[in-house]
Amino acid sequence: EAGVAQSPRYKIIEKRQSVAFWCNPISGHATLYWYQQILGQGPKLLIQFQNNGVVDDSQLPKDRFSAERLKGVDSTLKIQPAKLEDSAVYLCASNKTSGGPGETQYFGPGTRLLVL
Amino acid sequence: KQEVTQIPAALSVPEGENLVLNCSFTDSAIYNLQWFRQDPGKGLTSLLLIQSSQREQTSGRLNASLDKSSGRSTLYIAASQPGDSATYLCAASPQNQAGTALIFGKGTTLSVSS
Repeated sequence: EAGVAQSPRYKIIEKRQSVAFWCNPISGHATLYWYQQILGQGPKLLIQFQNNGVVDDSQLPKDRFSAERLKGVDSTLKIQPAKLEDSAVYLCASNKTSGGPGETQYFGPGTRLLVL
Repeated sequence: KQEVTQIPAALSVPEGENLVLNCSFTDSAIYNLQWFRQDPGKGLTSLLLIQSSQREQTSGRLNASLDKSSGRSTLYIAASQPGDSATYLCAASPQNQAGTALIFGKGTTLSVSS
C-alpha cells in the first residue's frame, strides 16, 4: 500500500512570507497528525485530526499557523507570516483508527522549510 | 506532562558489536511505546511498537523492552552493521491527553563503523 505522501519536499522562503504544505495519508486512515521537528529535537505535535474534526491543536501557534482537513482525507498546513524560528521539518503522520493501543503511526518523508 | 528522555545522545561502535539504546518516560499511563529510525533527510520509519500490556517485541536483530513501573524502555541491536547508522527515536503515546499524539525523545544518533 502507498505510504503517507507530502509535498513539497523542500521550501525556502523569506520571513513574513506565507507557505503551505500538503499531506495525503495512507488510504482509509482516519487520524492525521502534523508534527514540527526542529534540528536536533524530536518531533512535536502541532495538530491532530480524526476524520475532518480537530482532536488536539493545543500546541498550534494559531496566530500564524492554520490547518484543515475538509473532506477527511488530505490535509493542508499553512504558515502566514513565517518567522525565522519556523525553519524545521514538517512531518505528517496517520493512524488507521484513533491511534490507541497497538496502533502504529506511519510518517511521511517530511517537508523541509528554511526561512531566511 | 509526559517527558521522554533518551541516553546517550550519540553512540559510535565498531561493526559487529551488540548495543543498547535507552529511553525513559515520566508518566507510566501510556497506550504504546514506539521506536523509530530516522535517516538523514528522511522521515521516520517505525521499528517496533510495544503496547502498555506487553513487556517486549522483537524484529530480526532488534529487541525492544518496556518496564512501565520504572518508566524505561530499551532497544537492543544485535550484531550491528554500518547500515544501522541512523538516529533512533523513542516515543510514548500518553493516555492523559486530548489526543493520541506521540511524545518524542531527542533521539540517539548511532554510527557503526566497518
